[in-house]
Amino acid sequence: DTAVSQTPKYLVTQMGNDKSIKCEQNLGHDTMYWYKQDSKKFLKIMFSYNNKELIINETVPNRFSPKSPDKAHLNLHINSLELGDSAVYFCASSQTLGLAARETQYFGPGTRLLVL
Amino acid sequence: KQEVTQIPAALSVPEGENLVLNCSFTDSAIYNLQWFRQDPGKGLTSLLLIQSSQREQTSGRLNASLDKSSGRSTLYIAASQPGDSATYLCAVKSLDTGRRALTFGSGTRLQVQP
Repeated sequence: DTAVSQTPKYLVTQMGNDKSIKCEQNLGHDTMYWYKQDSKKFLKIMFSYNNKELIINETVPNRFSPKSPDKAHLNLHINSLELGDSAVYFCASSQTLGLAARETQYFGPGTRLLVL
Repeated sequence: KQEVTQIPAALSVPEGENLVLNCSFTDSAIYNLQWFRQDPGKGLTSLLLIQSSQREQTSGRLNASLDKSSGRSTLYIAASQPGDSATYLCAVKSLDTGRRALTFGSGTRLQVQP
């Protein structure tokens, strides 16, 4: 009965490969997010989708392409992986667009990506 | 652009001590501020959420305060236990309509010695 789940948990791959990370939430939330946590432990927003519609797209290389087949899933596809893509990627969800002052986000366990 | 800073970056205390973690943010136009806990190899767990209209929130041994005008928040942990060892992250949700996501600090890594 995990609320927000991600697969895989660990991903080790070579430079130049294409990989995908999957995220699913069973909370019935409308909004999902992808965050990247770099080596300095800063978590930064990458994308946000609300009901399958992209609402936030930060300055992220277009090698990163999120895909939301339905509002319970938000997958992250990365083309031509680079060394600098090594990080922990967290998926999160919230009930709505997150504009309510008391609304929180629920995070997945993270996917640790290492590009060699 | 909102920036969040957490001090100290790391803290080690003996079991039973009371401690304070600090968070500061540059733009006081916020919806809320949250404190999260991150355990190694795991995701983030929300500990406390303070709405912009509130001054503090309490949950068990945890008390978080918010001074929006000065851009500061503190997380107070009473009678610390080894199980409190983790990284504590502060995050704010800004009123900027283009930013519905959270802006995080880099965290305080807490070690409670038995």
